Amino acid sequence: GQQLNQSPQSMFIQEGEDVSMNCTSSSIFNTWLWYKQDPGEGPVLLIALYKAGELTSNGRLTAQFGITRKDSFLNISASIPSDVGIYFCAGQPLIYNQGGKLIFGQGTELSVKP
Amino acid sequence: DGGITQSPKYLFRKEGQNVTLSCEQNLNHDAMYWYRQDPGQGLRLIYYSQIVNDFQKGDIAEGYSVSREKKESFPLTVTSAQKNPTAFYLCASSILVIGVNTGELFFGEGSRLTVL
Repeated sequence: GQQLNQSPQSMFIQEGEDVSMNCTSSSIFNTWLWYKQDPGEGPVLLIALYKAGELTSNGRLTAQFGITRKDSFLNISASIPSDVGIYFCAGQPLIYNQGGKLIFGQGTELSVKP
Repeated sequence: DGGITQSPKYLFRKEGQNVTLSCEQNLNHDAMYWYRQDPGQGLRLIYYSQIVNDFQKGDIAEGYSVSREKKESFPLTVTSAQKNPTAFYLCASSILVIGVNTGELFFGEGSRLTVL
């Protein structure tokens, strides 16, 4: 089935550092989304992207929908301890015709050292 | 407050027993989903439903069953046919905009099932 490759799998950074993670796919997507999951909780939507080339910010978070429609990245600037968690990319493949099925990446586990 | 509620949060069962996980939402969302999460893996879709009395299999439906008798409710039964049922189960919902699913999911807090 469809797969997303998300990298890196984990990151250990110092508070105040910037963070970058990305997702790639072998097929075209019409939607890219980024979620964050705190331990023992359900994921929460951070940013949604709907157009190729779209660059969207949400506070210290910035995400982009790749021009090829096969990739997306998420940047976090000036990290703080509460940024700790697992970040997931997700997308709707074009072939699913917006039927609601999302494909998720494997997640990036972020640890922030105060 | 509007939201999506899963219960129970923790569940222990013996091998061979069927288990039903509850998912209720008061967001008036049309679509509901069940995902399974295993350590170090992304979320995998079990079943989803876009309207009442209709649902579709996801990527890993074998050993699971669902029903959608009410818009607000989408219970998941983990049957004895599921070979490796121990996992974290997440229910989600989303709205349909002019019949199109935006993909923006609202998740419940999850149910952790452990089969002994």
